Order: sequence, then C-alpha cells, then structure tokens
Amino acid sequence: DVKVTQSSRYLVKRTGEKVFLECVQDMDHENMFWYRQDPGLGLRLIYFSYDVKMKEKGDIPEGYSVSREKKERFSLILESASTNQTSMYLCASSLVSGTLVAGELFFGEGSRLTVL
Amino acid sequence: QKEVEQNSGPLSVPEGAIASLNCTYSDRGSQSFFWYRQYSGKSPELIMFIYSNGDKEDGRFTAQLNKASQYVSLLIRDSQPSDSATYLCAVAPNYGGSQGNLIFGKGTKLSVKP
Repeated sequence: DVKVTQSSRYLVKRTGEKVFLECVQDMDHENMFWYRQDPGLGLRLIYFSYDVKMKEKGDIPEGYSVSREKKERFSLILESASTNQTSMYLCASSLVSGTLVAGELFFGEGSRLTVL
Repeated sequence: QKEVEQNSGPLSVPEGAIASLNCTYSDRGSQSFFWYRQYSGKSPELIMFIYSNGDKEDGRFTAQLNKASQYVSLLIRDSQPSDSATYLCAVAPNYGGSQGNLIFGKGTKLSVKP
C-alpha cells in the first residue's frame, strides 16, 4: 500500500515562528503536493513538485515555501507564521502523468496547525 | 480561472436509497475526472475516476460523464450509513500533461439516515 506520512498531526505555534511540515512517501512517486483545507473553501493547492529540487506554485503560495531535496520527501515551510495560516495541511503524492492513474492522489493524514 | 462547482449540501438520503452527487466544471479541455470521499477528520481517498463520456460502474458506485455539458456525477446505489462523508469532485485540466495537478470542488456532504 502507498503510504504518505506527515510528521506532525497537530501543531500549535505562535505568530512569527518558523514552521516546518514534513511529508514522506514510500512509493517512489514523482509528484508531491501540499494543500490546505479550510471549511467552506475546500482544498487549495499551495505548491507542488514533479521532481527533486523542482517546485511549482499552486493557487495560494504566498507566505509559504517548499523544499524537495530527496524524491520521497517534500517539506512545507512557513517562514513567519500568521494566524490566517491556521488550517489543515494535507500532503499528497501521485505517479507521473501520462498513466491511467494520473491524478490519483494519495494523501497523508494531515497536519492541523494552529497559529496563536 | 478554472473552476469545479458542487452543491455543498448536506444531501440527506434514507438507507437503501440512491444518492446522486453532481459536479460541473468550467474548463472544456478537461480530460479526466475523479471522485474522492472524505470522512470527517480524515484525508480524502479516491473512489472513482472516469475519462470517457458515459457511465462507469464499480460496485455500488457509478460515475457519469457528459463532456458536452461539462458535467460529472456520482451515483451511490443502496446507500449505507457508512457512505456518510463529504464527496469531492476533482478535475485534471489536461490528461497526460497536468502532472496530476487537480482542481477540486468544495465537496458535497452526504448523510445517509438509517
């Protein structure tokens, strides 16, 4: 089974702190994604990566950065956390497009971040 | 701006009935379509995908696609209380070129009453 593991299920941080959210997948997937999910707003893509050291902005990249130094690991960084970044963060991975399962995202369990 | 629209619900059906979930999308060039189920407090999981016009059946689930109308639906037959969840419609803008980047609707909450 594909497993996407997010390092922290629950985090509480203070405004201005630097926050790292880690995600690891064990199926050699090329693509990795970071979403945030908020009530009434649905899933919104922050950043994605289709290869090591490659990254692409999603719909809401402001205030976030990412790092992909190894294929299996994709990190989301909040340089200076703010209260409006309180949310559920979901990491996902998928096979490269062009296959029949392109678009099948495998999600981690989520990291619920509260910024005070 | 590419959009995927779903009725937020909640959609309430009695146990054993057919639940019908609907989704429209704005990008006429979209090629592949997905339904994810998300239980409360859990992450989304894929239940169906469809690429061609028409119906695709998998057990109690049927996905229906009409590209001319830019409409995709999910039917759940013999609904069970365990089907109670939020169902997310997702669209890939270009088959084979999107790198798996999906556009999600906001989801429809389904409640199946015993």
